[in-house]
Amino acid sequence: EVQILETGGGLVKPGGSLRLSCATSGFNFNDYFMHWVRQAPGNGLEWVAEVRNKNNNYATYYAASVKGRFTISRDDSKSSVYLQVSSLRAEDTAIYYCTREEQLSYYFDYWGQGVMVTVSS
Amino acid sequence: EIVLTQSPTTTAASPGEKVTITCLASSSVSNMYWYQQKSGASPKLLIYSTSSLASGVPDRFSGSGSGTSYSLTINTMEAEDAATYYCQQWSSNPPTFGSGTKLEIK
Repeated sequence: EVQILETGGGLVKPGGSLRLSCATSGFNFNDYFMHWVRQAPGNGLEWVAEVRNKNNNYATYYAASVKGRFTISRDDSKSSVYLQVSSLRAEDTAIYYCTREEQLSYYFDYWGQGVMVTVSS
Repeated sequence: EIVLTQSPTTTAASPGEKVTITCLASSSVSNMYWYQQKSGASPKLLIYSTSSLASGVPDRFSGSGSGTSYSLTINTMEAEDAATYYCQQWSSNPPTFGSGTKLEIK
């Protein structure tokens, strides 16, 4: 059974940082690209970041709204993906979902339950 | 980036009724993907590659479309289908989602 579990959310002041973690199991992690997608309270879905697999040189991509502030990474030995979020702003307040993409399928077939990040003074 | 506009924003249907949700793209896309999100839950893949049902999705759901116009249809509404539905494209970067259609049961 595919399992995706995010941790690391919380309340942080503007300008602060957090590291979100996403632990996975039940599938061959090495075969998948991994993504973070966020959802601000009462709003729709926004793609945030992607990390590809070893065969694709661990390439990373970011939404314009987070580029330079967020860093996505993965640890294949732990079947985990991470999102370092820095220089946080109020508009980064959202549920952050970890989701997987079968290589170049262009859609997200399994999602975690999400982790809440609240940016407030 | 490609903007996806969904309609209606909110709708309600009686059990057994047919429901159609439309997603219009600001530029032509080659495929559309659809997700269902129930209250308090994470999104779930419903339709991939415009018209293919994801694993475990009931066959009352179907998808169609091409170019800039796509739709998701529920043939016979059931109470468990009450949710918000999102379309998604990735014909060009970045991947984008529609703003969602909230479907309620009458």
